[in-house]
Amino acid sequence: NAGVTQTPKFRVLKTGQSMTLLCAQDMNHEYMYWYRQDPGMGLRLIHYSVGEGTTAKGEVPDGYNVSRLKKQNFLLGLESAAPSQTSVYFCASSYSSGYSNQPQHFGDGTRLSIL
Amino acid sequence: AQKITQTQPGMFVQEKEAVTLDCTYDTSDQSYGLFWYKQPSSGEMIFLIYQGSYDEQNATEGRYSLNFQKARKSANLVISASQLGDSAMYFCAMRTNQAGTALIFGKGTTLSVSS
Repeated sequence: NAGVTQTPKFRVLKTGQSMTLLCAQDMNHEYMYWYRQDPGMGLRLIHYSVGEGTTAKGEVPDGYNVSRLKKQNFLLGLESAAPSQTSVYFCASSYSSGYSNQPQHFGDGTRLSIL
Repeated sequence: AQKITQTQPGMFVQEKEAVTLDCTYDTSDQSYGLFWYKQPSSGEMIFLIYQGSYDEQNATEGRYSLNFQKARKSANLVISASQLGDSAMYFCAMRTNQAGTALIFGKGTTLSVSS
Protein backbone atom coordinates (compact mmCIF):
# COMPACT_ATOMS: atom_id res chain seq x y z
CA ASN A 1 0.00 0.00 0.00
CA ALA A 2 2.64 2.55 -0.98
CA GLY A 3 0.27 5.11 -2.56
CA VAL A 4 2.27 8.26 -3.30
CA THR A 5 5.94 8.21 -2.35
CA GLN A 6 8.13 11.29 -2.29
CA THR A 7 11.90 11.32 -2.08
CA PRO A 8 13.78 12.80 -0.35
CA LYS A 9 11.87 13.68 2.81
CA PHE A 10 14.28 16.42 3.87
CA ARG A 11 16.97 18.37 2.07
CA VAL A 12 19.11 21.41 2.71
CA LEU A 13 20.55 23.23 -0.30
CA LYS A 14 22.73 26.23 -0.81
CA THR A 15 21.56 29.07 -3.00
CA GLY A 16 22.27 28.30 -6.63
CA GLN A 17 22.39 24.53 -6.26
CA SER A 18 20.08 22.31 -8.25
CA MET A 19 18.08 19.27 -7.25
CA THR A 20 15.23 17.03 -8.30
CA LEU A 21 12.33 15.86 -6.17
CA LEU A 22 10.87 12.53 -7.14
CA CYS A 23 7.25 11.51 -6.84
CA ALA A 24 6.06 7.97 -7.55
CA GLN A 25 2.53 6.60 -7.40
CA ASP A 26 1.35 3.02 -7.74
CA MET A 27 -2.39 3.64 -8.16
CA ASN A 28 -2.35 3.99 -11.95
CA HIS A 29 -3.55 7.59 -11.64
CA GLU A 30 -3.60 9.72 -14.77
CA TYR A 31 -3.22 13.08 -13.05
CA MET A 32 -0.32 14.21 -10.91
CA TYR A 33 0.43 17.50 -9.16
CA TRP A 34 3.13 19.37 -7.32
CA TYR A 35 2.12 21.83 -4.58
CA ARG A 36 4.11 23.92 -2.18
CA GLN A 37 3.00 24.79 1.33
CA ASP A 38 4.20 27.93 3.04
CA PRO A 39 3.15 29.18 6.49
CA GLY A 40 -0.20 30.95 6.35
CA MET A 41 -0.59 30.31 2.61
CA GLY A 42 -2.20 26.90 2.34
CA LEU A 43 -1.08 24.74 -0.60
CA ARG A 44 -0.43 26.31 -3.98
CA LEU A 45 -0.15 24.51 -7.29
CA ILE A 46 3.27 24.61 -8.96
CA HIS A 47 2.85 22.32 -11.98
CA TYR A 48 0.57 19.50 -12.95
CA SER A 49 0.31 16.68 -15.47
CA VAL A 50 -2.76 15.08 -16.99
CA GLY A 51 -0.88 12.17 -18.51
CA GLU A 52 2.45 10.69 -19.48
CA GLY A 53 4.49 13.16 -21.49
CA THR A 54 2.31 16.17 -20.68
CA THR A 55 2.88 18.95 -18.14
CA ALA A 56 1.41 22.38 -17.49
CA LYS A 57 2.02 25.38 -15.26
CA GLY A 58 0.06 26.04 -12.13
CA GLU A 59 -0.24 29.11 -9.95
CA VAL A 60 3.43 29.45 -8.90
CA PRO A 61 5.63 27.81 -11.59
CA ASP A 62 8.58 30.22 -11.69
CA GLY A 63 11.91 28.64 -10.83
CA TYR A 64 10.67 25.07 -11.27
CA ASN A 65 10.57 22.54 -14.07
CA VAL A 66 8.81 19.20 -14.25
CA SER A 67 8.81 16.04 -16.29
CA ARG A 68 6.46 13.07 -16.60
CA LEU A 69 8.31 10.52 -18.70
CA LYS A 70 6.52 7.59 -17.08
CA LYS A 71 2.91 7.51 -15.92
CA GLN A 72 3.86 6.60 -12.38
CA ASN A 73 6.56 9.26 -11.89
CA PHE A 74 6.44 13.05 -11.71
CA LEU A 75 9.70 14.91 -11.17
CA LEU A 76 10.08 18.45 -9.87
CA GLY A 77 13.36 20.21 -10.58
CA LEU A 78 14.94 23.31 -9.15
CA GLU A 79 17.64 24.49 -11.54
CA SER A 80 19.10 27.24 -9.34
CA ALA A 81 17.66 27.16 -5.85
CA ALA A 82 16.71 30.42 -4.14
CA PRO A 83 15.84 31.08 -0.47
CA SER A 84 12.27 31.90 -1.56
CA GLN A 85 11.90 28.25 -2.54
CA THR A 86 12.27 27.13 1.07
CA SER A 87 9.01 25.31 1.60
CA VAL A 88 7.29 21.97 2.08
CA TYR A 89 6.57 20.32 -1.24
CA PHE A 90 3.70 17.92 -1.73
CA CYS A 91 3.07 15.62 -4.63
CA ALA A 92 -0.46 14.35 -5.26
CA SER A 93 -2.17 12.12 -7.75
CA SER A 94 -5.73 11.39 -8.79
CA TYR A 95 -7.89 9.71 -11.36
CA SER A 96 -8.91 11.72 -14.39
CA SER A 97 -11.71 14.27 -14.37
CA GLY A 98 -14.32 11.60 -14.96
CA TYR A 99 -13.88 10.56 -11.34
CA SER A 100 -14.23 13.99 -9.78
CA ASN A 101 -15.55 12.65 -6.48
CA GLN A 102 -12.31 10.78 -5.88
CA PRO A 103 -9.86 12.61 -3.63
CA GLN A 104 -6.32 13.47 -4.51
CA HIS A 105 -3.85 11.25 -2.72
CA PHE A 106 -0.89 13.05 -1.23
CA GLY A 107 2.66 12.02 -0.48
CA ASP A 108 4.10 12.77 2.93
CA GLY A 109 5.90 15.88 1.71
CA THR A 110 9.50 17.03 1.22
CA ARG A 111 10.82 19.67 3.55
CA LEU A 112 13.31 21.77 1.60
CA SER A 113 15.51 24.49 3.05
CA ILE A 114 17.58 26.81 0.89
CA LEU A 115 20.39 28.62 2.69
CA ALA B 1 -11.69 34.03 -9.84
CA GLN B 2 -11.66 30.69 -8.09
CA LYS B 3 -11.06 31.04 -4.40
CA ILE B 4 -11.46 29.31 -1.06
CA THR B 5 -11.74 31.38 2.09
CA GLN B 6 -11.25 30.08 5.61
CA THR B 7 -11.72 32.97 8.02
CA GLN B 8 -10.83 31.20 11.27
CA PRO B 9 -7.06 30.99 11.76
CA GLY B 10 -7.55 29.06 15.00
CA MET B 11 -10.37 27.34 16.83
CA PHE B 12 -10.50 25.91 20.33
CA VAL B 13 -12.88 23.21 21.56
CA GLN B 14 -13.15 20.87 24.52
CA GLU B 15 -13.26 17.13 24.19
CA LYS B 16 -16.68 15.67 23.33
CA GLU B 17 -17.98 18.99 22.05
CA ALA B 18 -18.92 19.68 18.45
CA VAL B 19 -17.09 22.28 16.38
CA THR B 20 -17.75 23.93 13.02
CA LEU B 21 -14.94 25.03 10.73
CA ASP B 22 -16.01 27.61 8.18
CA CYS B 23 -15.32 27.54 4.46
CA THR B 24 -16.67 29.72 1.68
CA TYR B 25 -15.85 29.35 -1.97
CA ASP B 26 -16.07 31.28 -5.18
CA THR B 27 -16.33 29.78 -8.64
CA SER B 28 -18.26 30.38 -11.83
CA ASP B 29 -18.20 26.69 -12.70
CA GLN B 30 -21.44 24.75 -12.34
CA SER B 31 -19.68 21.47 -11.67
CA TYR B 32 -17.21 21.40 -8.81
CA GLY B 33 -16.24 19.39 -5.76
CA LEU B 34 -15.41 20.44 -2.24
CA PHE B 35 -12.98 18.55 -0.05
CA TRP B 36 -11.74 18.76 3.50
CA TYR B 37 -8.28 17.56 4.45
CA LYS B 38 -6.69 17.20 7.87
CA GLN B 39 -2.99 17.88 8.42
CA PRO B 40 -1.69 16.73 11.82
CA SER B 41 1.59 17.98 13.21
CA SER B 42 3.35 15.08 11.48
CA GLY B 43 2.60 16.84 8.20
CA GLU B 44 0.71 14.37 6.03
CA MET B 45 -2.52 15.33 4.24
CA ILE B 46 -5.48 13.15 5.22
CA PHE B 47 -8.68 13.23 3.17
CA LEU B 48 -11.79 13.59 5.34
CA ILE B 49 -14.90 14.26 3.29
CA TYR B 50 -16.19 15.23 -0.16
CA GLN B 51 -19.24 17.13 -1.40
CA GLY B 52 -20.17 17.43 -5.05
CA SER B 53 -21.91 20.53 -6.36
CA TYR B 54 -24.86 18.46 -7.58
CA ASP B 55 -25.21 16.43 -4.40
CA GLU B 56 -28.52 17.26 -2.76
CA GLN B 57 -27.70 15.76 0.61
CA ASN B 58 -24.94 16.87 2.92
CA ALA B 59 -22.02 14.46 3.03
CA THR B 60 -21.23 12.55 6.20
CA GLU B 61 -18.28 10.36 7.14
CA GLY B 62 -18.35 9.08 10.70
CA ARG B 63 -17.92 12.06 13.03
CA TYR B 64 -17.44 14.43 10.10
CA SER B 65 -20.26 16.10 8.24
CA LEU B 66 -20.26 18.82 5.64
CA ASN B 67 -22.85 21.57 5.93
CA PHE B 68 -23.26 22.48 2.25
CA GLN B 69 -25.20 25.66 1.47
CA LYS B 70 -24.91 26.15 -2.26
CA ALA B 71 -26.69 29.49 -2.47
CA ARG B 72 -24.36 30.93 0.15
CA LYS B 73 -21.35 29.16 -1.39
CA SER B 74 -20.36 27.69 1.92
CA ALA B 75 -19.11 24.22 2.83
CA ASN B 76 -18.53 24.11 6.56
CA LEU B 77 -17.02 21.08 8.25
CA VAL B 78 -18.72 19.88 11.41
CA ILE B 79 -16.81 17.59 13.74
CA SER B 80 -19.00 15.98 16.36
CA ALA B 81 -17.72 14.68 19.71
CA SER B 82 -14.23 16.15 19.36
CA GLN B 83 -11.26 14.03 20.41
CA LEU B 84 -7.73 15.04 21.38
CA GLY B 85 -6.53 13.44 18.16
CA ASP B 86 -8.57 15.94 16.16
CA SER B 87 -6.06 18.66 17.01
CA ALA B 88 -4.60 19.55 13.61
CA MET B 89 -4.71 21.98 10.71
CA TYR B 90 -7.81 21.62 8.52
CA PHE B 91 -7.92 22.66 4.90
CA CYS B 92 -10.94 23.25 2.72
CA ALA B 93 -10.27 22.74 -0.98
CA MET B 94 -12.18 23.00 -4.25
CA ARG B 95 -11.79 21.06 -7.45
CA THR B 96 -13.13 22.39 -10.72
CA ASN B 97 -12.48 21.38 -14.31
CA GLN B 98 -9.64 23.84 -14.62
CA ALA B 99 -5.89 23.23 -14.27
CA GLY B 100 -6.23 19.48 -14.61
CA THR B 101 -8.80 19.47 -11.80
CA ALA B 102 -6.12 20.57 -9.36
CA LEU B 103 -7.27 21.58 -5.91
CA ILE B 104 -7.54 25.18 -4.78
CA PHE B 105 -6.87 25.36 -1.06
CA GLY B 106 -7.85 27.75 1.67
CA LYS B 107 -5.27 28.95 4.16
CA GLY B 108 -6.42 26.49 6.77
CA THR B 109 -7.78 26.51 10.31
CA THR B 110 -5.82 25.21 13.27
CA LEU B 111 -8.06 23.25 15.63
CA SER B 112 -6.97 22.68 19.21
CA VAL B 113 -8.89 20.18 21.33
CA SER B 114 -8.40 20.28 25.10
CA SER B 115 -9.37 17.82 27.81
